[in-house]
Amino acid sequence: EPEVTQTPSHQVTQMGQEVILRCVPISNHLYFYWYRQILGQKVEFLVSFYNNEISEKSEIFDDQFSVERPDGSNFTLKIRSTKLEDSAMYFCASDPTGDTQYFGPGTRLTVL
Amino acid sequence: AQRVTQPEKLLSVFKGAPVELKCNYSYSGSPELFWYVQYSRQRLQLLLRHISRESIKGFTADLNKGETSFHLKKPFAQEEDSAMYYCALSRAAGNKLTFGGGTRVLVKP
Repeated sequence: EPEVTQTPSHQVTQMGQEVILRCVPISNHLYFYWYRQILGQKVEFLVSFYNNEISEKSEIFDDQFSVERPDGSNFTLKIRSTKLEDSAMYFCASDPTGDTQYFGPGTRLTVL
Repeated sequence: AQRVTQPEKLLSVFKGAPVELKCNYSYSGSPELFWYVQYSRQRLQLLLRHISRESIKGFTADLNKGETSFHLKKPFAQEEDSAMYYCALSRAAGNKLTFGGGTRVLVKP
């Protein structure tokens, strides 16, 4: 059964550095999402992406964040200048028709 | 704004006992409700959704619009049910999920 994959599984970076988190959604899915979960807190929505554009974004998703789907397969989340508070587990999800989201295993981002 | 509340952070039950995980939501429209499960060191997996009204792994959940609840139940818990359970809400198809804080279920032998 196809699954959403994410790389790397763990990323450690220095504050102020740029990071790119990568996701390969399930083939033929049309809706794509990023969520994050700070340790001990709820899973929070960051951004949704459909038809090659952002369809919705949360207050968290400020100018430091961007998403891309450059080649029709990868779906990336970039954080331009990481802050300590960006340390979290980042989950990618994809959805074939808009009614069931399938999650990746997550990338643990640690900002030092 | 939508909000999902799971009042219990931890539920500990013995094998064979019933288990009920509470989920309450606030949303003015007609939401879609989901339960996701995360087993140890694994990804979030969809357990069930209210639209399909099915039973998965012995779990059922009924949407009660009057009480704005979507509680998850299983009559006889098994050790393999030990996991983190998240209730989630979506406004409509293709929309974001809003998650509750999660309930950790521990089924003791």
